[in-house]
Amino acid sequence: GQQLNQSPQSMFIQEGEDVSMNCTSSSIFNTWLWYKQDPGEGPVLLIALYKAGELTSNGRLTAQFGITRKDSFLNISASIPSDVGIYFCAGHGGSNYKLTFGKGTLLTVNP
Amino acid sequence: DTGVSQDPRHKITKRGQNVTFRCDPISEHNRLYWYRQTLGQGPEFLTYFQNEAQLEKSRLLSDRFSAERPKGSFSTLEIQRTEQGDSAMYLCASSTGGGSNTEAFFGQGTRLTVV
Repeated sequence: GQQLNQSPQSMFIQEGEDVSMNCTSSSIFNTWLWYKQDPGEGPVLLIALYKAGELTSNGRLTAQFGITRKDSFLNISASIPSDVGIYFCAGHGGSNYKLTFGKGTLLTVNP
Repeated sequence: DTGVSQDPRHKITKRGQNVTFRCDPISEHNRLYWYRQTLGQGPEFLTYFQNEAQLEKSRLLSDRFSAERPKGSFSTLEIQRTEQGDSAMYLCASSTGGGSNTEAFFGQGTRLTVV
């Protein structure tokens, strides 16, 4: 089955720093989505990417759909304490409904 | 609140009991999904509805699990004869159907603890 490798597993950064995380797949994906999840809550959609090479921003967040369609990255600029949480990449491979998720990147921001 | 709504938020049950969870999707969304998430993992796909039709079930969904979506509106997920391994967060999501817009929006989840 399809697998997503997400890295790093965790990050500890100082407030104001930029952070980057990425996801790679063993197979081609048609869509990449990035979600943020707070403890005890459901994932919240941050950015959706639909075309290879696409670069999309949402405030301080920027994500790109890799040219090979097997990877994506998420950058967060000028981090703030409320950025703390678990960030998941997810993608649609052969189907356009079933999402495959990575294992998440736990982000801690020290004030 | 027009987001995906799940009930209950938390459920503690004894092993062997049956439990039922409810999901109310975003009103104009005709696709509804159930996912399961265990600690330290990303959500895993369980099943998917297009309106009232259940179109795919993951092999993770054993015979003890059943999901319905009568009239293509809310959905229920029932687990019979619960086992400790069923302890997890059960997430419901919805999206519009077809085309290139496949963005799934998740509810807050139901945390199941089987003791």
